[in-house]
Amino acid sequence: TQLLEQSPQFLSIQEGENLTVYCNSSSVFSSLQWYRQEPGEGPVLLVTVVTGGEVKKLKRLTFQFGDARKDSSLHITAAQPGDTGLYLCAGANEKLTFGTGTRLTIIP
Amino acid sequence: NAGVTQTPKFQVLKTGQSMTLQCAQDMNHNSMYWYRQDPGMGLRLIYYSASEGTTDKGEVPNGYNVSRLNKREFSLRLESAAPSQTSVYFCASSESIGQKYTFGSGTRLTVV
Repeated sequence: TQLLEQSPQFLSIQEGENLTVYCNSSSVFSSLQWYRQEPGEGPVLLVTVVTGGEVKKLKRLTFQFGDARKDSSLHITAAQPGDTGLYLCAGANEKLTFGTGTRLTIIP
Repeated sequence: NAGVTQTPKFQVLKTGQSMTLQCAQDMNHNSMYWYRQDPGMGLRLIYYSASEGTTDKGEVPNGYNVSRLNKREFSLRLESAAPSQTSVYFCASSESIGQKYTFGSGTRLTVV
């Protein structure tokens, strides 16, 4: 079984602060995806990273895939209330394996 | 621009009752999936269908059956519901296995 651990499990910060969320595994993945889920909705894909060491930016969100393709991080700069949600990483090796999630709350 | 449509959105069942959760996608995707989401457990794969005509067990298949009715539709059946099946169920689809997923908005099921 391939496990993906996310940390922290919960994070509550003030608007304008920066934060980093981590996704770690002992397994190597061919690619890694990040999703955001809002209450009452299904997860929505934010980004896919494929190459070890790859960095992708989506406005104030920066995603990095570890060199060994076992881990990933999501950094948010100047967090806004609209960033509030459950962030899920998912590793791909044929099927997707989802991480345990980080529930992020941005306080105005 | 419907994407993945799940019905019903909410359901309450008594222990031992049966029901079918419906899922349809309009993106011509080959692969479809059923997940359950429980607090602290993330998304766990119940069953998936890599392509029309095939189905396979995921991580937590016990107590469930699936049918890939055609390329668009993938249903999940609970034959005899148990309180442990209280959860939020998500259907998803992708162009092929492991590619980006599009999720439905979920079915919140309570078994009493």
